[in-house]
Amino acid sequence: DGGITQSPKYLFRKEGQNVTLSCEQNLNHDAMYWYRQDPGQGLRLIYYSQIVNDFQKGDIAEGYSVSREKKESFPLTVTSAQKNPTAFYLCASRGQALISYNEQFFGPGTRLTVL
Amino acid sequence: AQSVTQLDSHVSVSEGTPVLLRCNYSSSYSPSLFWYVQHPNKGLQLLLKYTSAATLVKGINGFEAEFKKSETSFHLTKPSAHMSDAAEYFCVVSVNTGGFKTIFGAGTRLFVKA
Repeated sequence: DGGITQSPKYLFRKEGQNVTLSCEQNLNHDAMYWYRQDPGQGLRLIYYSQIVNDFQKGDIAEGYSVSREKKESFPLTVTSAQKNPTAFYLCASRGQALISYNEQFFGPGTRLTVL
Repeated sequence: AQSVTQLDSHVSVSEGTPVLLRCNYSSSYSPSLFWYVQHPNKGLQLLLKYTSAATLVKGINGFEAEFKKSETSFHLTKPSAHMSDAAEYFCVVSVNTGGFKTIFGAGTRLFVKA
């Protein structure tokens, strides 16, 4: 059963702690993305990767870091430098990065709450 | 520059009546256009996409959308709303400008009354 998995579904963090969100896909997709969603707002791009061992900053990368050591995995670390990390985080993937009509496939999301 | 505007932040309909969710876009390149649906605390699911083939696109769950280049619109419609259609809907523009660019609309929350 192909798809994208994100874990955990809910995550609680104390202020000052780093936390890593997992994203795995078995669709053999080249490109992967991380988005942040806040209430009443659309999706904002944090980081994206079009190929293994390469990634680019999105519109709101400050306070976040990623790695892409394997094609299947694109973990996101929310660092203590992120001033307002409480949000819903969505991971997505696409088959071929530069074909614009390829849709993105989304994971179920991780809701991060900072206590 | 590319942009996408969803003209209504909230739409409320009665069950069994038509649904219209409006989306306008701006693009200097030939765009691909998508509609996604998101139920609470879930990921986004693709409803349909336009890729420069037929201008009337049929999607899942009875939804369809029409690409109108002259009006730069890609409105989403459904003849008869079901309670299960209550969700957030996102219009998305994608272009290849030498690099891939995706722009999400702010979303339209659809309420369906019994």
